Amino acid sequence: AQSVTQLDSQVPVFEEAPVELRCNYSSSVSVYLFWYVQYPNQGLQLLLKYLSGSTLVESINGFEAEFNKSQTSFHLRKPSVHISDTAEYFCAVSRSNDYKLSFGAGTTVTVRA
Amino acid sequence: DTAVSQTPKYLVTQMGNDKSIKCEQNLGHDTMYWYKQDSKKFLKIMFSYNNKELIINETVPNRFSPKSPDKAHLNLHINSLELGDSAVYFCASSPDSSEAFFGQGTRLTVV
Repeated sequence: AQSVTQLDSQVPVFEEAPVELRCNYSSSVSVYLFWYVQYPNQGLQLLLKYLSGSTLVESINGFEAEFNKSQTSFHLRKPSVHISDTAEYFCAVSRSNDYKLSFGAGTTVTVRA
Repeated sequence: DTAVSQTPKYLVTQMGNDKSIKCEQNLGHDTMYWYKQDSKKFLKIMFSYNNKELIINETVPNRFSPKSPDKAHLNLHINSLELGDSAVYFCASSPDSSEAFFGQGTRLTVV
């Protein structure tokens, strides 16, 4: 079975500063990796995903994540955050032939002016 | 034209009652799910259906019974509600294992 560890439960950050959210996974088979974002009182939205190919994946709103197989990591970064990036961020993993998503515990990002 | 819609959005009920949450997706996906998010925001899969057949059934009390009348709908019925069932329940659908689309959630409060 696969598992996901998000190393930071809360990340406060000032507006326009960079942010990195760390995610490590464990699995003995090939995996798909995801970052989901949950804005207050809303559902989860897919931010970006790694299925195969280039290890660096980007979202349309400036986030990027890099798949590192040797370190079994999929850290999320943004060079300059906005107030509107305040949300809960979840890293998730699934086996490439499986439909079950396993989530990390989430990281609360609070952006301050 | 919401992709994955759940009703109701909020549900407050007394212990011992039976309640249902409905979910519909208009994306044409074959697979649907129920996830539970507890008070610490931890998300865990409960059930998954593929073309109306149960494919994932995690360790969930048998008071929880999913029903899929067709592949666009997956409802969740809960019998004899307990305080510990209070949570946010998310429905999701996916075309394959590459991505899941989530509904807005149903916040269930048992009093």
